[in-house]
Amino acid sequence: DAGITQSPRHKVTETGTPVTLRCHQTENHRYMYWYRQDPGHGLRLIHYSYGVKDTDKGEVSDGYSVSRSKTEDFLLTLESATSSQTSVYFCAIGTSDNTGELFFGEGSRLTVL
Amino acid sequence: GENVEQHPSTLSVQEGDSAVIKCTYSDSASNYFPWYKQELGKRPQLIIDIRSNVGEKKDQRIAVTLNKTAKHFSLHITETQPEDSAVYFCAASSGNTGNQFYFGTGTSLTVIP
Repeated sequence: DAGITQSPRHKVTETGTPVTLRCHQTENHRYMYWYRQDPGHGLRLIHYSYGVKDTDKGEVSDGYSVSRSKTEDFLLTLESATSSQTSVYFCAIGTSDNTGELFFGEGSRLTVL
Repeated sequence: GENVEQHPSTLSVQEGDSAVIKCTYSDSASNYFPWYKQELGKRPQLIIDIRSNVGEKKDQRIAVTLNKTAKHFSLHITETQPEDSAVYFCAASSGNTGNQFYFGTGTSLTVIP
C-alpha cells in the first residue's frame, strides 16, 4: 500500500539481543523517519534520514542506530535491546522536501522480555 | 527543539455533535501543521493540514484553524459519526529543523451512537 513496507511486523526478543527493523520504500523519496509510539507519549522521532548515508538524531535516539546505504531502505538497529524499548515502531516517508505529508508504514510491534 | 502540546487526551461526544481538539506549539519557525487520524491497530493517516500562510482550511466535516500569534491550532469535526472514533494527533514541522515533525500526545475520540 502506497510503497512503504516494514519488516518484521511483530517480534519478540530477549533483553540484550540485537534487533534490526527494516523500512523499504518504492517511491524514491528523500526523507525517511523512524518513530516509536507509546501510550501517553504519542509519536516520538528516533532518527531520520535526508539522503543516502545522511542521517540525524531525533528526540529519543539513545540506544538506537540507523543506516541508509541506498535510497529505498532505512534500517533501525537496537544494538542491545532493553525492556524500555518495547514499543510500536513506525517508519515514515516524507513526500516532499518542503515539509510535506508524512506517509507511515504499518508499524512493527517489538516486545523485549 | 519544538514542543507540541495537545488537549484533551480523551474526548467523548454524542453522534451528531461537534468535537474540537487543540494544540499549541513553541517554535515560531514551524510552518506546517498536519493532523493525523489513527484507528485501532492501524497506521496514522493524514486527514488535513494547514500551512502558516493560511488561517483556516476545511474539508467536508473537518476543519483546521491556525493562530500564529498565539501559536495554537485546532481541529474541528462537525456532525460526528461513529467512524470518527479514533486517536487524533497534531504535529508541527519546520524546514529549519531538517523536516523534523513533532507530534502531540494524541486525543482519543469516542463518538457515542
